[in-house]
Amino acid sequence: AQKITQTQPGMFVQEKEAVTLDCTYDTSDQSYGLFWYKQPSSGEMIFLIYQGSYDEQNATEGRYSLNFQKARKSANLVISASQLGDSAMYFCAMREFYLDTGRRALTFGSGTRLQVQP
Amino acid sequence: DTEVTQTPKHLVMGMTNKKSLKCEQHMGHRAMYWYKQKAKKPPELMFVYSYEKLSINESVPSRFSPECPNSSLLNLHLHALQPEDSALYLCASSQGWDSNQPQHFGDGTRLSIL
Repeated sequence: AQKITQTQPGMFVQEKEAVTLDCTYDTSDQSYGLFWYKQPSSGEMIFLIYQGSYDEQNATEGRYSLNFQKARKSANLVISASQLGDSAMYFCAMREFYLDTGRRALTFGSGTRLQVQP
Repeated sequence: DTEVTQTPKHLVMGMTNKKSLKCEQHMGHRAMYWYKQKAKKPPELMFVYSYEKLSINESVPSRFSPECPNSSLLNLHLHALQPEDSALYLCASSQGWDSNQPQHFGDGTRLSIL
């Protein structure tokens, strides 16, 4: 079963406007972490923001904020005041702890390609 | 500039060649990772090293051989690869294997198999 779902293959936003990238997840674990990464065409995966499952407040990092709704199992990324340099692929990821194997693994969603238009 | 350095950035090799990908970090991280990413797909985990020991091998074919000579270096030795192995290979590191530690990625090596 897919653990991370990003339903928007592509999004367009006008420069200086805000945009929300959707992410829903599925886990039976009580302790998990949610991450957002940005991948420009150059290939590097850039860490943007983290939300822990026990964090009561939504995470914020500069222009990035994470709209965490635990009951709905969603962790949407909000980018405020979009810039041309924000054009990239954005991946939502979840780290779970697998009790049976003692493993911690990071699972990525399929990604959303954001294009910022001038 | 990324704090995880990968070399080379691009690599073209034949199916009979032997080559190595290198990854280096100086952040004191004790967990290091190799991922494979095909075009328009998310990264897929290949190997995890924790404290220089191989902790996870995601059923990767033996033509890929990882090596962790020390806590700062991670290599991926390639031999007799197939055309379908052409992909972006990403290295990452994290402070530990804790759930709140983000992984920091390198720029990747774009590998093409002729």
